Amino acid sequence: GDSVTQMEGPVTLSEEAFLTINCTYTATGYPSLFWYVQYPGEGLQLLLKATKADDKGSNKGFEATYRKETTSFHLEKGSVQVSDSAVYFCALTRRDDKIIFGKGTRLHILP
Amino acid sequence: NAGVTQTPKFQVLKTGQSMTLQCAQDMNHEYMSWYRQDPGMGLRLIHYSVGAGITDQGEVPNGYNVSRSTTEDFPLRLLSAAPSQTSVYFCASSYSGGTSGNTIYFGEGSWLTVV
Repeated sequence: GDSVTQMEGPVTLSEEAFLTINCTYTATGYPSLFWYVQYPGEGLQLLLKATKADDKGSNKGFEATYRKETTSFHLEKGSVQVSDSAVYFCALTRRDDKIIFGKGTRLHILP
Repeated sequence: NAGVTQTPKFQVLKTGQSMTLQCAQDMNHEYMSWYRQDPGMGLRLIHYSVGAGITDQGEVPNGYNVSRSTTEDFPLRLLSAAPSQTSVYFCASSYSGGTSGNTIYFGEGSWLTVV
């Protein structure tokens, strides 16, 4: 069945480091792909999305490119800040409109 | 614009008690859903609805009931609470399920402890 696999956390980086959080998916057809972020004590918020192959989603310095050939949607940021500390979820939508989430990757940024 | 509103934010139940988690959205979204979030498990879909009067089961529906009498409201009922239902619950809504890339909006969560 459809699924999303993302790297296990926690990921700990120093401020201004380069960030990559890997996400790969298995799906039939052409799903839309999302990254959601969850700050402590809050619900999930959309960070970025891509709806077709080769699309690049970007927001707040984060980027992810929809790679159909490698079934991936890796999240990147060139210089992380302490305020980026959160849990990041990769997700896809299926043809029946259900949304499948990865298990989440906790990110800690040290000052 | 309130978005998705969940109540209560925190609740402690005794085993066997029943309760309802309320969810309301003011964005005229057709699609609403309930997830539970457990450590190491990510978000798992409990029930969802594609419109008023229509509900369906998700990945982990046992022990939960839902109804959708209006577009705005999608309450989640625990009929006989069990310790395994201790979790954080999120309600979500969108114009559709997301196939077209529509953004899913989440409530702030309800922390439920069953003792």
